[in-house]
Amino acid sequence: KQEVTQIPAALSVPEGENLVLNCSFTDSAIYNLQWFRQDPGKGLTSLLLIQSSQREQTSGRLNASLDKSSGRSTLYIAASQPGDSATYLCAAPGQNFVFGPGTRLSVLP
Amino acid sequence: EAGVAQSPRYKIIEKRQSVAFWCNPISGHATLYWYQQILGQGPKLLIQFQNNGVVDDSQLPKDRFSAERLKGVDSTLKIQPAKLEDSAVYLCASSLLGTSGYNEQFFGPGTRLTVL
Repeated sequence: KQEVTQIPAALSVPEGENLVLNCSFTDSAIYNLQWFRQDPGKGLTSLLLIQSSQREQTSGRLNASLDKSSGRSTLYIAASQPGDSATYLCAAPGQNFVFGPGTRLSVLP
Repeated sequence: EAGVAQSPRYKIIEKRQSVAFWCNPISGHATLYWYQQILGQGPKLLIQFQNNGVVDDSQLPKDRFSAERLKGVDSTLKIQPAKLEDSAVYLCASSLLGTSGYNEQFFGPGTRLTVL
């Protein structure tokens, strides 16, 4: 049974810092891993999808890596901005999609 | 391209009442998911449809929750009777395929349910 954890649970940084969010999963036999952003009271917005054959994906200031052997994925955010403040969730498929609890990010101006 | 549509956006009911949520997925997406997200937690899958058929409903409380997907397009999720612990955001998502292959999920805005 797939289990997904995320560290840290919450993070507060000053604007401009580079930061790393971590996602761990127990079943490494996954086809892909997806990172989402969720703003308060809103649905989820897809940020990046990494296929199992890929090691990383990049979109703008975001870079996500995947290491299936160790059961880990990281989301790197460069030059953080106040608009990046949100909860970031990762999801890995098992029998179905399993979400982590999320990392709540606050970027202070 | 239109996204995943959900209605209503908000619903407040008394316990033991019934409620229904509606979802219209992205056109052409074969797979539709209903998730329950309790405040402070990640979404939990309730049910997954592939076209008309149910792929996974192992976490759906079948004594009170039901869902259907007519003609492989729109879907409704019903709760009857509602309990206080059902207060949550109900999210609908769709993807081209299932959990294998290229299957990026796209989410609707969700329905926030409050049970009093």
